[in-house]
Amino acid sequence: EPEVTQTPSHQVTQMGQEVILRCVPISNHLYFYWYRQILGQKVEFLVSFYNNEISEKSEIFDDQFSVERPDGSNFTLKIRSTKLEDSAMYFCASSEILTGLETQYFGPGTRLLVL
Amino acid sequence: RKEVEQDPGPFNVPEGATVAFNCTYSNSASQSFFWYRQDCRKEPKLLMSVYSSGNEDGRFTAQLNRASQYISLLIRDSKLSDSATYLCVVDGAGSYQLTFGKGTKLSVIP
Repeated sequence: EPEVTQTPSHQVTQMGQEVILRCVPISNHLYFYWYRQILGQKVEFLVSFYNNEISEKSEIFDDQFSVERPDGSNFTLKIRSTKLEDSAMYFCASSEILTGLETQYFGPGTRLLVL
Repeated sequence: RKEVEQDPGPFNVPEGATVAFNCTYSNSASQSFFWYRQDCRKEPKLLMSVYSSGNEDGRFTAQLNRASQYISLLIRDSKLSDSATYLCVVDGAGSYQLTFGKGTKLSVIP
């Protein structure tokens, strides 16, 4: 069964450093998403991406965040200058068509710890 | 602000019990509704979509009441493997984002 993959599984970084989280969506999917989940909190939407551009972003997705699809398979989330409060589990998801009509499938997540 | 509210639990039930989870959502224009399950420190995994007519998948039954903006999940004959957090998830009504509830934790006890 095809699945979304994410690397690394864990990342520890110093406050102020840049991190790049990587995702490989399911191959025939066209819509890509990033969510985050702070420990003990609910899953929160960050951004959606389609046709090489951002479709929608939440208020959490400020100027320190960016997304990119650098090649035909990878989808990345960059955090330019990490803050302590960026510590969370970051989930990538993909769907075949626009959500609401089709399910989003989640990757296993990257656990980011900012010290 | 669009919200999805769930009873946080935990629900501790013996094996074989029937357990019901409830969820309310605030965006009356939402069109798609889901139950996901999340094991500890793992990703959310789709359990089932929820349709207006109600739907059943084995031991799991989901119901939707649009007028009350209320969604439910019933699990019959609980198994130890059902222990997880159950997430009520709603679409953004023309938005790309899914809105998650905080989840209801279920522990099935031998």
